[in-house]
Amino acid sequence: QVELVESGGGGVHPGGSLRLSCAASGFNFGNWAMHWVRQAPGKGLEWVAFISHDESHKSYSDSVKGRFTVSRDNSKSILFLQMNSLTGEDTAVYYCARDYGDYGTLYYWGQGTLVTVSS
Amino acid sequence: EIVMTQFPATLSVSPGERATLSCRASQSVNTKVAWYQQKPGQAPRLLLYAASSRATGIPARFSGSGSGTEFTLTISSLQSEDFAIYYCQQYSTWPPEFTFGQGTKLEIK
Repeated sequence: QVELVESGGGGVHPGGSLRLSCAASGFNFGNWAMHWVRQAPGKGLEWVAFISHDESHKSYSDSVKGRFTVSRDNSKSILFLQMNSLTGEDTAVYYCARDYGDYGTLYYWGQGTLVTVSS
Repeated sequence: EIVMTQFPATLSVSPGERATLSCRASQSVNTKVAWYQQKPGQAPRLLLYAASSRATGIPARFSGSGSGTEFTLTISSLQSEDFAIYYCQQYSTWPPEFTFGQGTKLEIK
């Protein structure tokens, strides 16, 4: 069955960087667009980034544009999120999600990885 | 940015009763709306896409309607496992700039 497993979260100081990974299995990863979504503690969901199946299209929320970079390695079925210039507002659980095929519906979700930005 | 507004913020309903949750978009999103359910400590789960289509394995008691700017999620007869937070999401924009509503907490009355 489809499985998405995020890793790479942890504590980081303001201004620091982290690279999140999302290992995918149970489907042909290279055929599907992927997303990153985050959820600050006790808050709602915030869409963060999108990447098409072949990396031809990438898109970001205004809150992370210029600081975060989404990428993928289809040969290894891994999705990445490089996060730079982190601030306390980036503290959240980060989820990766597989698109449904309509470039927008988030069908399968990982369990998330917690990123804490604090001095 | 398209703003999605959900109401009410909290809805108290008794088991077995019907629950109606609403979501309004700040501009037309056609039917490009999805609904998700999230329980404490869990990842969200897709319920509906394209405003009214149920995802695989979602019970028939969950239904959706709407187009343009007004959308509704209806749960026809609430079961104990349905008490959770529900989010709407629009995906009408290209390049993608998707947005979620702030959520409706469905609690037991």
